[in-house]
Amino acid sequence: DIQMTQSPSSLSASVGDRVTITCRASQGISNSLAWYQQKPGKAPKLLLYDASRLERGVPSRFSGSGSGTDYTLTINSLQPEDFATYYCQQYYSIPPWTFGQGTKVEMK
Amino acid sequence: EVQLLESGGGLVQPGGSLRLSCAASRFSFSTYAMTWVRQAPGKGLEWVTGISVSGDSTYYTDSVKGRFTISRDNSKNTLYLQMNSLRAEDTALYFCAKEHRIRSVRGYFDSWGQGTLVTVSS
Repeated sequence: DIQMTQSPSSLSASVGDRVTITCRASQGISNSLAWYQQKPGKAPKLLLYDASRLERGVPSRFSGSGSGTDYTLTINSLQPEDFATYYCQQYYSIPPWTFGQGTKVEMK
Repeated sequence: EVQLLESGGGLVQPGGSLRLSCAASRFSFSTYAMTWVRQAPGKGLEWVTGISVSGDSTYYTDSVKGRFTISRDNSKNTLYLQMNSLRAEDTALYFCAKEHRIRSVRGYFDSWGQGTLVTVSS
C-alpha cells in the first residue's frame, strides 16, 4: 500500500498568513492526489484534486502543486474560516486509497 | 445540492454484525461510484471500501476484507455496508461519499454524508 506522510502535524498561524502543508507519498503517484478540509464535527470537504485542480466553489486562495512523491497545499492569506484540519489522499492506481494523517491549522 | 444520509450505526459487541445504509438524493445515484470512509474517535480518515456504478466491482482495505461487504441498490438510491465479525478497532464514524467523476472509479470524493457512529464494545 502507498503510505502518505503529511507535515507538519499541526501549525499555528494568524489571519492573513500564508500556510504551506506538505504531503509525501511512499512511491510516485503521478499527481493522483486530493486535498480535503475538515472542521470539528463535520464531514470532509474536497478542496483540490489531481494535485492542483481547484474544486468548484473553493476559494482561489487554496492552491496545490507537486509531482512524483512530493505535494504541497498552500493557503494564501489565511481566513478565519480556514482554521481546520487538512488531509491529503492518494488515489493512484487500484485501491486501497490512503490518506495522510492530517495537519491541524490552529490560530496563533 | 447532493444529500447523503447515513444510518444504522450503534453499539455492538465484538464479533457482532451491523448494516449501515446511506440514502442518496438530489443527484443521479446510479451514475456515480460510491465509497465508505471511516474516522476513529480523535483520529484521521481511513478509506474502507468502494463500489462501482453497477456494483459489479468492489474494493476493500485489507483490514476489512472478508468481514465487510459493500453493496448498492440503484432502484432505491441506497448504498449499504454489511459489517460482520466486528472488532474494537472498527469503532469509528462511518461516512459515505460520492465519487467526483460520473461513471468512473477515480478515488476522490466530492460529497459526503455526516456519518454514522459505530461503537464496538462489550
